[in-house]
Amino acid sequence: EVQLVESGGGLVQPGRSLRLSCTGSGFTFGDSAMTWVRQAPGKGLEWVGLIRSKPYGETTEYAASVKGRFIISRDDSKSVAYLQMNSLISEDTAVYYCTKGRSELPVWGQGTLVTVSS
Amino acid sequence: DVVMTQSPLSLPVTLGQPASISCRSSQSLVNSDGNTYLNWFQQRPGQSPRRLIYKVSNRDSGVPDRFSGSGSGTDFTLRISRVEAEDIGVYYCMQGTHWPPITFGQGTRLEIK
Repeated sequence: EVQLVESGGGLVQPGRSLRLSCTGSGFTFGDSAMTWVRQAPGKGLEWVGLIRSKPYGETTEYAASVKGRFIISRDDSKSVAYLQMNSLISEDTAVYYCTKGRSELPVWGQGTLVTVSS
Repeated sequence: DVVMTQSPLSLPVTLGQPASISCRSSQSLVNSDGNTYLNWFQQRPGQSPRRLIYKVSNRDSGVPDRFSGSGSGTDFTLRISRVEAEDIGVYYCMQGTHWPPITFGQGTRLEIK
């Protein structure tokens, strides 16, 4: 069974950093692009960014709202994707989901809550 | 960016009755590879999103056949033939043709009358 498990969320002060992890199982992690999507409290879904697989250079794409502040990386040896979030602002408060793939997003994790507040 | 517009945003339905959600994109979602990357997701209360339909009309494994997707170009529809209590939640369309960024509709909240 394909599974994704996010971790690393919590309460963080504005301007600080936080790193989220997404561990995959049940599929060949290194063959898949990995995407991050977030959902602010009571709001809809917002695409954050993605990292392509190694054959595609592990290149990344980001939403305009996080570009320059967030960095997505991966460690295929551990089947983990990371979301490094820097210079956090209150608008980054959301549940962060990792998903498999780039255009079809068939599987989602349970999400991890990030709260940015002083 | 491609704008995805869903209607209605709230959908009260009687159990056993059909339901329909519309999703319109600001430009055609036909990709250069011939595929149309329009997906539908269900988010039940307190749960993460679950994909129901991919590439317009393909049902995911385990999704009841009362769910169906249709459409082409810029106009798409999710239909539930007979609503059941477990269908309560928010439904999102999503386009994966023109990215970055991938974009979602605003969501349609389905509730039981």
